[in-house]
Amino acid sequence: DQQVKQNSPSLSVQEGRISILNCDYTNSMFDYFLWYKKYPAEGPTFLISISSIKDKNEDGRFTVFLNKSAKHLSLHIVPSQPGDSAVYFCAASTNSGGSNYKLTFGKGTLLTVNP
Amino acid sequence: DAGVIQSPRHEVTEMGQEVTLRCKPISGHNSLFWYRQTMMRGLELLIYFNNNVPIDDSGMPEDRFSAKMPNASFSTLKIQPSEPRDSAVYFCASSQRRYGYTFGSGTRLTVV
Repeated sequence: DQQVKQNSPSLSVQEGRISILNCDYTNSMFDYFLWYKKYPAEGPTFLISISSIKDKNEDGRFTVFLNKSAKHLSLHIVPSQPGDSAVYFCAASTNSGGSNYKLTFGKGTLLTVNP
Repeated sequence: DAGVIQSPRHEVTEMGQEVTLRCKPISGHNSLFWYRQTMMRGLELLIYFNNNVPIDDSGMPEDRFSAKMPNASFSTLKIQPSEPRDSAVYFCASSQRRYGYTFGSGTRLTVV
């Protein structure tokens, strides 16, 4: 049972336009959400995160929006650049106590930004 | 800091053989995670350790899989015997805090 779902396996956008990647989750205990970016032959790298007490977090060209009632989050990239072409993973964790938490990942969305 | 180091980068083995994947976490990170990436299931957590102690191994698919962390600087994931359906990319990650995952470059395993 997939607790974190990325329903779009791929997305193609034109350079300079906005990229919107979506993620849905089912576990209401999730309270921290992250996006990771992965290039071929490399491990995923952390991109941006958001706590459930917020509904938006911005870092340069990247903004994550969280809609808790809909159990939905999205990653906006504006403007998109060819170097953004990668697989993007949505991840979530619960506050189960302790100082480190396991992350549950979605299947990923392949973003292609065309010049 | 060299990051999380995994070896080998690629492994091709015959069905039935034993496979051992290795991971050296970042010094000072007290949590270590083993993930497997496949097209069908994405990134799935196999097992994780806190302070060298296995905390959750519910993601380990079968008894053929085992993982150890004998000290803070080394972990292994072993598959014995290996099967073609084990073919995937295996990632190790380490963390010092909740949002501080650092992944290694992965081991691409092919079982023929």
